[in-house]
Amino acid sequence: DTGVSQDPRHKITKRGQNVTFRCDPISEHNRLYWYRQTLGQGPEFLTYFQNEAQLEKSRLLSDRFSAERPKGSFSTLEIQRTEQGDSAMYLCASSPGHRWGYTFGSGTRLTVV
Amino acid sequence: AQKVTQAQTEISVVEKEDVTLDCVYETRDTTYYLFWYKQPPSGELVFLIRRNSFDEQNEISGRYSWNFQKSTSSFNFTITASQVVDSAVYFCALSEARGGSEKLVFGKGTKLTVNP
Repeated sequence: DTGVSQDPRHKITKRGQNVTFRCDPISEHNRLYWYRQTLGQGPEFLTYFQNEAQLEKSRLLSDRFSAERPKGSFSTLEIQRTEQGDSAMYLCASSPGHRWGYTFGSGTRLTVV
Repeated sequence: AQKVTQAQTEISVVEKEDVTLDCVYETRDTTYYLFWYKQPPSGELVFLIRRNSFDEQNEISGRYSWNFQKSTSSFNFTITASQVVDSAVYFCALSEARGGSEKLVFGKGTKLTVNP
């Protein structure tokens, strides 16, 4: 059990570029979650997978955002045509079930310039 | 709608003092889960405790204790004999069970600074 891994740790991109983040959950966890956290705020829910199925999406997840979890293992979060408002920490978490607390990764800090 | 309020934005104490972090929540659901997470300066959120709505027993884990009161919709967190390593942002979170949603709704967090 090596925890939840996220890559990259930091990403600086120019406005209008596309970016993709990767999350590797704890291997035996079938649930995977993406959250976004801006400075001084708590994390906000973006989307959740159970195995490979994307079961819930927040209204925060505009059509520029897409997430996948092929084969129910790692997950990617892509942001197209980035905007300055997308600058945030993107957190991934995994869990063996809803009744249990999540294990969070260290996050990917995105800066859009 | 779900909502979590952590009214204390920042708290500063001197080492060995006891400190209580407040959390008030709103939900229409009768079945829900409450959580506390710690986010140290390194940034990674660390799970501290989960409590379901049917279990109002207070919990103690070492220097940490939690007081869950459904009557006041509160789930407060106390650190006894605080230490410098307790310095972090602490988040309270709520998850409703109905509708199959598994999202957590977080409060804005309380930044705790423990000074030596």
